[in-house]
Amino acid sequence: GQSLEQPSEVTAVEGAIVQINCTYQTSGFYGLSWYQQHDGGAPTFLSYNALDGLEETGRFSSFLSRSDSYGYLLLQELQMKDSASYFCAVRSPSGGYNKLIFGAGTRLAVHP
Amino acid sequence: EAGVTQFPSHSVIEKGQTVTLRCDPISGHDNLYWYRRVMGKEIKFLLHFVKESKQDESGMPNNRFLAERTGGTYSTLKVQPAELEDSGVYFCASSQEIGRDAYGYTFGSGTRLTVV
Repeated sequence: GQSLEQPSEVTAVEGAIVQINCTYQTSGFYGLSWYQQHDGGAPTFLSYNALDGLEETGRFSSFLSRSDSYGYLLLQELQMKDSASYFCAVRSPSGGYNKLIFGAGTRLAVHP
Repeated sequence: EAGVTQFPSHSVIEKGQTVTLRCDPISGHDNLYWYRRVMGKEIKFLLHFVKESKQDESGMPNNRFLAERTGGTYSTLKVQPAELEDSGVYFCASSQEIGRDAYGYTFGSGTRLTVV
C-alpha cells in the first residue's frame, strides 16, 4: 500500500524553529510536496522537492532524502499566523500523469 | 486569476438523500482532482480528470459516487444515496502540469458534507 507518516501535533512558541518530519512508502515517486491548511480554508502549496537536498523559500525550508524515503519541513521565526495543519504529499505516477498522495497532516500550534 | 471555487461550502443531508457538489477549476487548467478528508485523517485521493476524461478513478469509494466534468470545465461529484460514512470535507484541486514539473495544485476551500 501507500502511506505517509507525520506527527499528528506539534507545539512551539513564537520566534522558535520547528521541524515537521515525513516518511513515506509509495509505489512510484516523483517528488515530495508540502501544503499548509488553516482551519476551514484551502490547502495551499508551500514547497516541492524532486531531488535530494534543501529548498529554501523565505522562512520555510523543505528537505528530501530519497534513499531514506524521508523529508521534512522547517519553519523558522515562527509567527502566530503559522498555526495551521501541514501536510506532506508524494507526487506519484498515475498512468502517464501524476497525483498527490497525502499524509494525515500535522497540526502546528504556535503560542506567544 | 480566480481560484478554484467549490459549491456549496456546507451541506447537511439525511442518510439516503442525494447531494451534488460542484467545482469550478482555474480557467485553462486541464487537470482536475477530487479529494476527501474524513475528520483527522489523510486527504484521500478520489479521482483525476484530464479535460473531460477520467484519468484515474481508483480512489472512488463505491458506485454511490459519480463524478462528471462537462466539456472539460466545471466538475460535479454526486453522492446517491448518501451514507453516514460519506461525511467529510470534499476538496477539489486543479493544476496545469507539464510532465513531472513541480507545479503545485490549487485547492478550493472544500465542501463540508454532513450526513445525519
